[in-house]
Amino acid sequence: DTGVSQNPRHKITKRGQNVTFRCDPISEHNRLYWYRQTLGQGPEFLTYFQNEAQLEKSRLLSDRFSAERPKGSFSTLEIQRTEQGDSAMYLCASSPRTPDAKYYGYTFGSGTRLTVV
Amino acid sequence: GQNIDQPTEMTATEGAIVQINCTYQTSGFNGLFWYQQHAGEAPTFLSYNVLDGLEEKGRFSSFLSRSKGYSYLLLKELQMKDSASYLCAVSHASGGSYIPTFGRGTSLIVHP
Repeated sequence: DTGVSQNPRHKITKRGQNVTFRCDPISEHNRLYWYRQTLGQGPEFLTYFQNEAQLEKSRLLSDRFSAERPKGSFSTLEIQRTEQGDSAMYLCASSPRTPDAKYYGYTFGSGTRLTVV
Repeated sequence: GQNIDQPTEMTATEGAIVQINCTYQTSGFNGLFWYQQHAGEAPTFLSYNVLDGLEEKGRFSSFLSRSKGYSYLLLKELQMKDSASYLCAVSHASGGSYIPTFGRGTSLIVHP
């Protein structure tokens, strides 16, 4: 397993366009998290999946944001009608069902850097 | 809600020891993580504390006091490659799930 994979690594889009990011978690991990990080800040929680069920959504996740994990494996995060304030690094993380967090914690992907111009 | 506080920036000398503090306020506490993040890269897991006390792992150690809502990350024998942001994250119960909430991070600069 190569870890958590995110695509694309970089995305530049014009304001008002829709964008979609993909996250492929570690195969045996059933929990998947999306975070957003801006320069000089820590990651901010957006949403969480356990298998295919979206169990938690942050108030940061406006109606323009939607996330799916249709088969409990990969996940997509879509932003509609992008705004300049959406420019950030979007990070995906995964963890197993009963995380032996002492040893593994949550494994992050390399992120997708979104720039809205 | 959760409130996590850590210093914005610290500097230290190569070979020295540095302690990065983190204080937090949360309900449903389920452990505290420390992550290292180099510029432009993903956070990488360093340590996890759920019980009071010190956890040692090589040059890095992490301490937790749940009653004080306090943790620190201790880095020994600093190397230049330790220059990075160090993120404190608290795992808390939320609707049956456990969600890690991150602090803003402490930017550590190691100089020769």
